[in-house]
Amino acid sequence: EDQVTQSPEALRLQEGESSSLNCSYTVSGLRGLFWYRQDPGKGPEFLFTLYSAGEEKEKERLKATLTKKESFLHITAPKPEDSATYLCAVQARGGSYIPTFGRGTSLIVHP
Amino acid sequence: NAGVTQTPKFQVLKTGQSMTLQCAQDMNHEYMSWYRQDPGMGLRLIHYSVGAGITDQGEVPNGYNVSRSTTEDFPLRLLSAAPSQTSVYFCASSPRWTGKSYEQYFGPGTRLTVT
Repeated sequence: EDQVTQSPEALRLQEGESSSLNCSYTVSGLRGLFWYRQDPGKGPEFLFTLYSAGEEKEKERLKATLTKKESFLHITAPKPEDSATYLCAVQARGGSYIPTFGRGTSLIVHP
Repeated sequence: NAGVTQTPKFQVLKTGQSMTLQCAQDMNHEYMSWYRQDPGMGLRLIHYSVGAGITDQGEVPNGYNVSRSTTEDFPLRLLSAAPSQTSVYFCASSPRWTGKSYEQYFGPGTRLTVT
């Protein structure tokens, strides 16, 4: 059974204080790993897809990296507008093609 | 493109009532899915479809029914609402997997309360 574990559950940062969110996964062959951002009262919004270990992708203050067992979402010099819940999901080889989601990390950035 | 639309945005039901949550997408995506999101539980898959006429169960299918008669629409039916079905429901769609993984596009959600 595919499993996705995100840590920490919640993270509070001061503006400018860089940190990382973790997504550990167990799948029978990885097709793709996704990161989403979700604002309160809204649907998840796509950020990145990673396909293979060693791959990295960047968007503004966010950088996603992937190893064979986990992915990190690095947030550099965060701003209050980066406050959101960040969700990780994995799509496994075989099966339904529908990704399995972790429970998310709630990030609050204080000014 | 409107993307993925969901109606209604809010709904209150009494225990035992039935209703249909509507979901439509205008991107010609083959894959569609329904999730529920509860505090601390993340997104849990209810039902999904890989094309018109094809549906399958996800992680938490009990008490829900789906059908997919067209590519665009994927309604979710609550057969006899229970308080345990109080949740936020999200519909999502994505292109068919063709050797590349495509991200899902999510609707704005339906907040359902069952009393």
